[in-house]
Amino acid sequence: AQRVTQPEKLLSVFKGAPVELKCNYSYSGSPELFWYVQYSRQRLQLLLRHISRESIKGFTADLNKGETSFHLKKPFAQEEDSAMYYCALSTYNQGGKLIFGQGTELSVKP
Amino acid sequence: NAGVTQTPKFQVLKTGQSMTLQCAQDMNHNSMYWYRQDPGMGLRLIYYSASEGTTDKGEVPNGYNVSRLNKREFSLRLESAAPSQTSVYFCASRDTHLAKNIQYFGAGTRLSVL
Repeated sequence: AQRVTQPEKLLSVFKGAPVELKCNYSYSGSPELFWYVQYSRQRLQLLLRHISRESIKGFTADLNKGETSFHLKKPFAQEEDSAMYYCALSTYNQGGKLIFGQGTELSVKP
Repeated sequence: NAGVTQTPKFQVLKTGQSMTLQCAQDMNHNSMYWYRQDPGMGLRLIYYSASEGTTDKGEVPNGYNVSRLNKREFSLRLESAAPSQTSVYFCASRDTHLAKNIQYFGAGTRLSVL
C-alpha cells in the first residue's frame, strides 16, 4: 500500500536550533517525494522536491531509498519557519495524485 | 496572477443541504484535484481529473460528485451534506510542463455541516 508517515504532530524548537522533520514512505515503484508548507492563513505551497535536489529557505531533504525516508532538515531554525509541513508522494502514473502524510506543525520559539 | 481560485471561502450548511464548491485555474494545466484536510489526517484526495473530460475517484469519494466543466474549471458537489463532511477543501492543479510535477493549491473552502 502507498503510504506516507510523519511521526511527529508537533515539533517545537528554539530559534537557531537545528530542525529535522521526519518522513517515511511506503511505495512499490520509484517515488517522487515532496515537502509542502502551509504558513498561517496562507495556502499550501511547494517547499522542495527530491528531484531538484535544491535548498529552499535553508531547508534540504535527501531521499534515502534504503530507509524509505525523506526527512526535512535545516541547520538553524528561524521564527518565520513556524508552519505546518506536509510530506507527500506522487503517484505519477495515476493522474499525478499526491499522497500526503499527516503533517507536522513546526513551532520555532524566540 | 490568480493561479487557483476557490469559491466560497467559508460555508455553513445544515445536514441534508446541497452545495457546489467552485474551482478555476488560469495556468492552462491539464490535471486538477480536490482534497479534504482534516486535523491529524493530512490531505486526502476526493476526486481528480487527469484531463478535460475525465474524472476519477480518489481515496474518499463517497458523498461527493465532480464536474470538469472545461479545462479551467473543476467543481465539487455535495448532494446531501453530512456532519462528517465538515472539513477544509482544497482544489489543486498540476504543472507538467518540461517534466515538472508540481501541484498548485487554492486558498481553501472551510465548510461546516451542522
